[in-house]
Amino acid sequence: QKEVEQNSGPLSVPEGAIASLNCTYSDRVSQSFFWYRQYSGKSPELIMSIYSNGDKEDGRFTAQLNKASQYVSLLIRDSQPSDSATYLCAVNGLSSGSARQLTFGSGTQLTVLP
Amino acid sequence: NAGVTQTPKFRILKIGQSMTLQCTQDMNHNYMYWYRQDPGMGLKLIYYSVGAGITDKGEVPNGYNVSRSTTEDFPLRLELAAPSQTSVYFCASSFVPEETQYFGPGTRLLVL
Repeated sequence: QKEVEQNSGPLSVPEGAIASLNCTYSDRVSQSFFWYRQYSGKSPELIMSIYSNGDKEDGRFTAQLNKASQYVSLLIRDSQPSDSATYLCAVNGLSSGSARQLTFGSGTQLTVLP
Repeated sequence: NAGVTQTPKFRILKIGQSMTLQCTQDMNHNYMYWYRQDPGMGLKLIYYSVGAGITDKGEVPNGYNVSRSTTEDFPLRLELAAPSQTSVYFCASSFVPEETQYFGPGTRLLVL
């Protein structure tokens, strides 16, 4: 069983719509959660971090965390073609049980159609 | 600010050859990481370091070695290249594991 699961997609949404990206994780003691965006051929860059239950908003991006359900999501409002990328969910504290490592999901490929 | 830099950008190796992937950061971060990313997959941790002189294995360390003699540099060594090591390698750094990791541009390695 994978420790961080994401739908691989591809997920396609029309321009201006809300894109919803989902991630589940296996380790209940995980404390830090991250969403990275990766354009094709480029390195990952941080979009959002979230540490406590609830919603965290930053511009068009909202991260949602539900530790009881072991679920973290990313909503992108007013999606733009420039949002087309692969979105990686990352969780701190899995695998070896060490809090020093991030475990990444395999990513969800998002395409925003003009 | 250069951030995290990696060299080379691209390399072709023959089976059995060795090479060192270089990684340097100028943000005075204690934590540094090496990941590999296979096509269509997420990032797998190879090795990480919590400071100069201290390194530890990640999820996929076999076939690789690292050293950390300074805060800035964290080279990754491949001793006997194998086709299974064909991948894109990313170096990253952070102040603490709970905060943002900053990634270098990556090294694309092809082993034939």
